[in-house]
Amino acid sequence: SQTIHQWPATLVQPVGSPLSLECTVEGTSNPNLYWYRQAAGRGLQLLFYSVGIGQISSEVPQNLSASRPQDRQFILSSKKLLLSDSGFYLCAWSADRGAQPQHFGDGTRLSIL
Amino acid sequence: EDKVVQSPLSLVVHEGDTVTLNCSYEVTNFRSLLWYKQEKKAPTFLFMLTSSGIEKKSGRLSSILDKKELFSILNITATQTGDSAVYLCAGVNDMRFGAGTRLTVKP
Repeated sequence: SQTIHQWPATLVQPVGSPLSLECTVEGTSNPNLYWYRQAAGRGLQLLFYSVGIGQISSEVPQNLSASRPQDRQFILSSKKLLLSDSGFYLCAWSADRGAQPQHFGDGTRLSIL
Repeated sequence: EDKVVQSPLSLVVHEGDTVTLNCSYEVTNFRSLLWYKQEKKAPTFLFMLTSSGIEKKSGRLSSILDKKELFSILNITATQTGDSAVYLCAGVNDMRFGAGTRLTVKP
């Protein structure tokens, strides 16, 4: 069966520091991968999605970037974090964008001080 | 611009009540509508709706899609405290989520 791993679960970082969040999927090949951010009490905002290695689409201009160095690995990064980057970050995968539901990791709660 | 609007934003009911959550959408190249339940962490998948008028059911939960009027509803009958969560809907083509409905079920 397919599983998705996301880490770390919580992270506290100072303003201006770099960020790297990692997500890996097991039990499937060539998944569609997604990064979302959820502000407190809000819905999910799609940040990036990827349909294959090295293929990244950005939904919102921001301080973050994403990379997909391997088929089942998706990384969210920042060179310099802002206070506004605080939130709950979720990684998800789906077998077919639109025709199959997404399955989410447990998320990373990021606090910027 | 694509958008998904959920209502109400929050709802408080007592155990045994029936609730209806609403989701309206305007999504280019619409393919499907998804419902999720989010408690503490990861949203968990509930329903995927692609065809109009066909009810999907899972226990006390059911959902239906109206592609003409561009909305979907999620019904929960005989609510329990364990149904307390944020319920999210997403319109696909591009997985655009609504803000969610926070449901609180009191004993």
